[in-house]
Amino acid sequence: QVQLQESGPGLVKPSETLSLTCTVSSVSITAYSWSWIRQPPGKELQWIGYIYHSGSATYNPSLKSRVTISVDTSKNQVSLQLRYVTAADTAVYYCARRSAMESHFDNWGQGTLVTVSS
Amino acid sequence: DIQMTQSPSTLSASVGDRVTITCRASQSISSWLAWYQQKPGKAPNLLIYKASSLESGVPSRFSGSGSGTEFSLTISSLQPDDFATYYCQQYSSYPLTFGGGTKVEIK
Repeated sequence: QVQLQESGPGLVKPSETLSLTCTVSSVSITAYSWSWIRQPPGKELQWIGYIYHSGSATYNPSLKSRVTISVDTSKNQVSLQLRYVTAADTAVYYCARRSAMESHFDNWGQGTLVTVSS
Repeated sequence: DIQMTQSPSTLSASVGDRVTITCRASQSISSWLAWYQQKPGKAPNLLIYKASSLESGVPSRFSGSGSGTEFSLTISSLQPDDFATYYCQQYSSYPLTFGGGTKVEIK
């Protein structure tokens, strides 16, 4: 059973960089594509971007200028960096596995709450 | 971006009821639609993909239908474990987008 576990600081100051890591267990990250998705408190889900098993990435245009998603194959981890954060970036951040065949998400991490505040 | 509109936003129902949730896309997405269930404090869980394909392990009381711009998720007989929020997601084009959610509450 694949497991995804997000980790990182729960509090980030405005204008700084949010950095999160997703550790994947029971499957090689090179076998699938991976995504980050966020959910502001009480609001809907927002897709942040994908990193494909090829190593290339696709981002939501609304966040593209501030986002980088990368992989560390030696650690079986997927990482998210979001620069110049504001209070609007406060959310639960999820990593999720893209289905092998289509662009829906068949496995999710438990999520981690990141609050942007001074 | 493709906008996904769910209705109703909240639904009150009783155990045993047949429940239908609707999701409308702002342009045609063929059958590239998924449905998720989310419980408080938990991650979403995939129920349906490609509009009508049931994910492995999901009870058969869940079903999906539709194509183009109109889709629905039906729970044939609501169970206590089904009280949750449901989201649709289109994956026809980037950026991937989700609906605003439908909360199914106990009547």
